[in-house]
Amino acid sequence: GIQVEQSPPDLILQEGANSTLRCNFSDSVNNLQWFHQNPWGQLINLFYIPSGTKQNGRLSATTVATERYSLLYISSSQTTDSGVYFCAVEAGTGRRALTFGSGTRLQVQP
Amino acid sequence: EAGVAQSPRYKIIEKRQSVAFWCNPISGHATLYWYQQILGQGPKLLIQFQNNGVVDDSQLPKDRFSAERLKGVDSTLKIQPAKLEDSAVYLCASSTPGTGRNIQYFGAGTRLSVL
Repeated sequence: GIQVEQSPPDLILQEGANSTLRCNFSDSVNNLQWFHQNPWGQLINLFYIPSGTKQNGRLSATTVATERYSLLYISSSQTTDSGVYFCAVEAGTGRRALTFGSGTRLQVQP
Repeated sequence: EAGVAQSPRYKIIEKRQSVAFWCNPISGHATLYWYQQILGQGPKLLIQFQNNGVVDDSQLPKDRFSAERLKGVDSTLKIQPAKLEDSAVYLCASSTPGTGRNIQYFGAGTRLSVL
């Protein structure tokens, strides 16, 4: 099946810093979603981005489908950004379930 | 619009006992998924329903796990008997792929501890 790798696995930032999270995937995809899992375990949708670039406030994402990677940018980080960020893909095989990476654990310190 | 509802939020049982989780998807979402998330890992699919039919249960340990989606709406996931390694968060998600954008929305999950 499709493989999803995220980097870095852990990231510690000072409040106000910027960061880039990367997601590499091994095959073509129909769907790519970025999630933030908050400390209470809730998976919050950030972006649906199988290709192209999107922005939502301090967050933006870019997926280059032909090169099989996606980037999530966090600018001016805040302590509330802490948690685990997951990239998940739906393979282009017709199987609609998501395959998740192992996540990037982000800690933003005041 | 109400999100995906799951209950209970937490459950503690002893090994070899049985447990059941409930999920109510977003209204109108035909596709429902159950994922298992072990601590420190990303969620992994257990079973996928399209309306009330099973689309993919290849990763479901069928000797102990079962799931149903009666009437194509609510779903229950059952474990009987539970093992220590079943300790995890069980996440339910739903989507409506008919729109061409198969965006999955997740519930808050049920955290299971097997002692």
